[in-house]
Amino acid sequence: NAGVTQTPKFRVLKTGQSMTLLCAQDMNHEYMYWYRQDPGMGLRLIHYSVGEGTTAKGEVPDGYNVSRLKKQNFLLGLESAAPSQTSVYFCASSFLGGNTDTQYFGPGTRLTVL
Amino acid sequence: GDSVTQMEGPVTLSEEAFLTINCTYTATGYPSLFWYVQYPGEGLQLLLKATKADDKGSNKGFEATYRKETTSFHLEKGSVQVSDSAVYFCALSDNAGGTSYGKLTFGQGTILTVHP
Repeated sequence: NAGVTQTPKFRVLKTGQSMTLLCAQDMNHEYMYWYRQDPGMGLRLIHYSVGEGTTAKGEVPDGYNVSRLKKQNFLLGLESAAPSQTSVYFCASSFLGGNTDTQYFGPGTRLTVL
Repeated sequence: GDSVTQMEGPVTLSEEAFLTINCTYTATGYPSLFWYVQYPGEGLQLLLKATKADDKGSNKGFEATYRKETTSFHLEKGSVQVSDSAVYFCALSDNAGGTSYGKLTFGQGTILTVHP
């Protein structure tokens, strides 16, 4: 099993450009999450999904949109990139989404917005 | 709201030294507590967890005990190795007010470097 994969690994954007980050998992997990990691701030939840066709806002959702059209995929979109969105983005998934569940993380996407 | 505070880093140790990384939390419900580790260039992976007070999580020689009275979950290892060099994150998942959907609140991370 590949686990959780993310595409692309690196990306550089100019302010105002748009892009989509793809997360895919092959573990048949119901729950998926998008986090951003910034120096000295740990990881913060952007959006999450509790199943195919559902999405919900996390702690820092502004400037991002998500979609979960297929159970195995969770897409994160930036409609108009800003320098404040320069970060490392991690996708994660878990089986049941309970507060005892382990989350499995992808390798991350490093995004720079100029 | 929920929060997690970790000791300031970075931490630099010699091989075989004793490691402690402090973690304290605030939560409104009955959280589960986790330590995740991030090796260079990789995503996070679960190191250990504890789901109720006085539980001890352990893995790969690392241990942490869920202390409700001090709201702490300190990570310890008796003898570190160079291969333990990584970033360590303390996290919680709280079910206050109903299901948490597994959402994690992370500390800021502690960079550990172990020298031979």
